[in-house]
Amino acid sequence: GAGVSQSPSNKVTEKGKDVELRCDPISGHTALYWYRQSLGQGLEFLIYFQGNSAPDKSGLPSDRFSAERTGGSVSTLTIQRTQQEDSAVYLCASSLSGRNTEAFFGQGTRLTVV
Amino acid sequence: KNEVEQSPQNLTAQEGEFITINCSYSVGISALHWLQQHPGGGIVSLFMLSSGKKKHGRLIATINIQEKHSSLHITASHPRDSAVYICAVSARSQGNLIFGKGTKLSVKP
Repeated sequence: GAGVSQSPSNKVTEKGKDVELRCDPISGHTALYWYRQSLGQGLEFLIYFQGNSAPDKSGLPSDRFSAERTGGSVSTLTIQRTQQEDSAVYLCASSLSGRNTEAFFGQGTRLTVV
Repeated sequence: KNEVEQSPQNLTAQEGEFITINCSYSVGISALHWLQQHPGGGIVSLFMLSSGKKKHGRLIATINIQEKHSSLHITASHPRDSAVYICAVSARSQGNLIFGKGTKLSVKP
């Protein structure tokens, strides 16, 4: 498709389980971002990939969170040993070349930890 | 203090009214973004600007770099404009966007 694709759109998981969230950016976009939006809260930066550079992981809230981007395209955000406070909408965005280019957002993955 | 502040947090308007949403920021930026998020929906980029003014249909965005302030205006508002409007900046020192908390707009028919 032409836009940023995220899967699954909804995920319910039990506390303590690991989850993987997938993001398929727009073809040719070198920058990819993961953000989190908790209920009633603003958007929170998690991690940023730019081309072949080392990712900016400064927003990851704990070492249970990790992300990778394979082949400069698809990215997977992994949350290990999920906790209830991880419940949120996880949004992926991509842009052509990062900082001064328009960001395109996916529809998000709504994660519920029960 | 948040690096990006929006006002108001909530705004209710009658259809047809002129609407203004304000955004102030405290960091050096390379660009400012206005985003729209409908209930249960994804986020759509409305504008990206680094100076002056941009217009798209009934939407106008302005930025004053010296005052570190931007405004989003909606002319002849319509109920379908009801959404959360989010201001975000690309800080010169970072690659990611820094977001305001959003303005929830409700336009009544």
